[in-house]
Amino acid sequence: QKEVEQDPGPLSVPEGAIVSLNCTYSNSAFQYFMWYRQYSRKGPELLMYTYSSGNKEDGRFTAQVDKSSKYISLFIRDSQPSDSATYLCAMTPDSGNTPLVFGKGTRLSVIA
Amino acid sequence: DVKVTQSSRYLVKRTGEKVFLECVQDMDHENMFWYRQDPGLGLRLIYFSYDVKMKEKGDIPEGYSVSREKKERFSLILESASTNQTSMYLCASSRTGRVANYGYTFGSGTRLTVV
Repeated sequence: QKEVEQDPGPLSVPEGAIVSLNCTYSNSAFQYFMWYRQYSRKGPELLMYTYSSGNKEDGRFTAQVDKSSKYISLFIRDSQPSDSATYLCAMTPDSGNTPLVFGKGTRLSVIA
Repeated sequence: DVKVTQSSRYLVKRTGEKVFLECVQDMDHENMFWYRQDPGLGLRLIYFSYDVKMKEKGDIPEGYSVSREKKERFSLILESASTNQTSMYLCASSRTGRVANYGYTFGSGTRLTVV
């Protein structure tokens, strides 16, 4: 079993839709969870981070962590064509030197 | 604007050549990383470094080496390039103890083609 599983998509939605992106993981030691967004021909950029379980909201984006289920989600409300990108989840057991473990990424297209 | 700069966006090399990929960051970050990204395989960690002259193997170090002589610069070396090393290479950096808040800062990548 891979440490982090993420459906690669592609996912295609109409503008204005609510998008749900998800990752599951197997290592119960993971404490820090992040979402990165990667536009075509660019490097990933940090979108949101959360610590342990719970929700975090930032504008149209909401990140959720359910440690009991080893499941994290990113919701995008009122999706826009500019949200079209690949979204990668990432996680680590500590905030020190342990490298992040990335999901493979979900490719999202928001159609105008 | 803080950034990670990779020396080349596109590179074409011949099989057997020694290839150097350079990465420079201007954020005084302690940690630097080299990944390759391939369709269907995601990001795979090649090597990383927590300090000058220190290096640690990642998940796929075979066929690669690294050099970190200065804090801001981290070089990836393909000792003898092969066609299966054709890929997008991404460099990243982070500050120790601040990964949870600020994550990694990535460069824009180098698309390497080995022919």
